[in-house]
Amino acid sequence: DVKVTQSSRYLVKRTGEKVFLECVQDMDHENMFWYRQDPGLGLRLIYFSYDVKMKEKGDIPEGYSVSREKKERFSLILESASTNQTSMYLCASSFRVGGLEKLFFGSGTQLSVL
Amino acid sequence: AQTVTQSQPEMSVQEAETVTLSCTYDTSESNYYLFWYKQPPSRQMILVIRQEAYKQQNATENRFSVNFQKAAKSFSLKISDSQLGDTAMYFCASGYGQNFVFGPGTRLSVLP
Repeated sequence: DVKVTQSSRYLVKRTGEKVFLECVQDMDHENMFWYRQDPGLGLRLIYFSYDVKMKEKGDIPEGYSVSREKKERFSLILESASTNQTSMYLCASSFRVGGLEKLFFGSGTQLSVL
Repeated sequence: AQTVTQSQPEMSVQEAETVTLSCTYDTSESNYYLFWYKQPPSRQMILVIRQEAYKQQNATENRFSVNFQKAAKSFSLKISDSQLGDTAMYFCASGYGQNFVFGPGTRLSVLP
């Protein structure tokens, strides 16, 4: 079974802190994603990486950066956390079968910024 | 650009009954997929069912089936014989390549 592991299930940080959210996948997938999940808004893509050191901005990249130094690890960085970044963060990895990209999700990190 | 709309923020159904969750979408792509994901309280997103847009036949997976109306851009999920374990958030999504767009979700409660 594919496993996508997010390092923290719950995280509480202070405004202005630098925050790292870590995600590791064990299936050698090329693609990895960071989504933000908010009530009434569904999942919104923050960043996407299609290879080591390669990244693309998603729909809401402002206030976030990412790092992918190794294929299995994709980190989301909040340079200076703000209260409006309080949210659920979901990491995913994917691989393609035929024309279909199959997504596998982690269990999410609930981040509270106080 | 893709958009996905789920007009029912919350729904409830009695155990063993049937419920239908609505989803409409918009896309300019000709080759796309549609998905229903389930997110139970454990927060683990689980793929329930998927539909290739070029296939006219509606997808089914055990108690889960879809009603795919391509011209109307509608993709509803029917859950038959609802079980307590079906209680979850359900997200409709459309995707092509690595681009996925998710709807806002429908919270389904199955009542004993």
